[in-house]
Amino acid sequence: AQSVTQPDARVTVSEGASLQLRCKYSYSATPYLFWYVQYPRQGLQLLLKYYSGDPVVQGVNSFEAEFSKSNSSFHLQKASVHWSDSAVYFCALSPMSNYNVLYFGSGTKLTVEP
Amino acid sequence: ETAVFQTPNYHVTQVGNEVSFNCKQTLGHDTMYWYKQDSKKLLKIMFSYNNKQLIVNETVPRRFSPQSSDKAHLNLRIKSVEPEDSAVYLCASSRLGGWAEQFFGPGTRLTVL
Repeated sequence: AQSVTQPDARVTVSEGASLQLRCKYSYSATPYLFWYVQYPRQGLQLLLKYYSGDPVVQGVNSFEAEFSKSNSSFHLQKASVHWSDSAVYFCALSPMSNYNVLYFGSGTKLTVEP
Repeated sequence: ETAVFQTPNYHVTQVGNEVSFNCKQTLGHDTMYWYKQDSKKLLKIMFSYNNKQLIVNETVPRRFSPQSSDKAHLNLRIKSVEPEDSAVYLCASSRLGGWAEQFFGPGTRLTVL
């Protein structure tokens, strides 16, 4: 079985501050990992994805994520947030056994204050 | 730029009615999906279709059925809706192959009274 846990339901940061959104996964092998963002009344958009290689992956809009096999984590980071980054962020996993399926975490709602 | 289109945006109905939601993608993808997002934003896969074949079917109630006329369209029919069906239904598509990026539509919000 596989699962994704996002321990922080809500995160609030000031504009210009750095950001880390946490994601922990449970899976017997190395999964394919994703971060998606959902803006109000819109569908999900892919920020970045990881399967192998450099554990730090770069994504769109200056987001990056770091994979840690030892910690079973895939945290999302950004050096300086903008008010337009306010949205809900989802971490997701695709198992090797069924690569068409995305298993999502519960999401983290990010609010960027001016 | 939207490439996965869903209609309607919203739908309000009574318990026991039948509803149908439409999804069309213009990306030329081979695989399409339906996800359910509940009031707590929890997202779960319901179905995926590849070349008119159902390749994933998580344990959803039998009143839900996906319908595909071609690889660009995947509709969702709910026969006799229940209050717990109130949610946002998201359609997505991807190319065929391992771990391909899924592109999502804006969703259809269903409210069952």
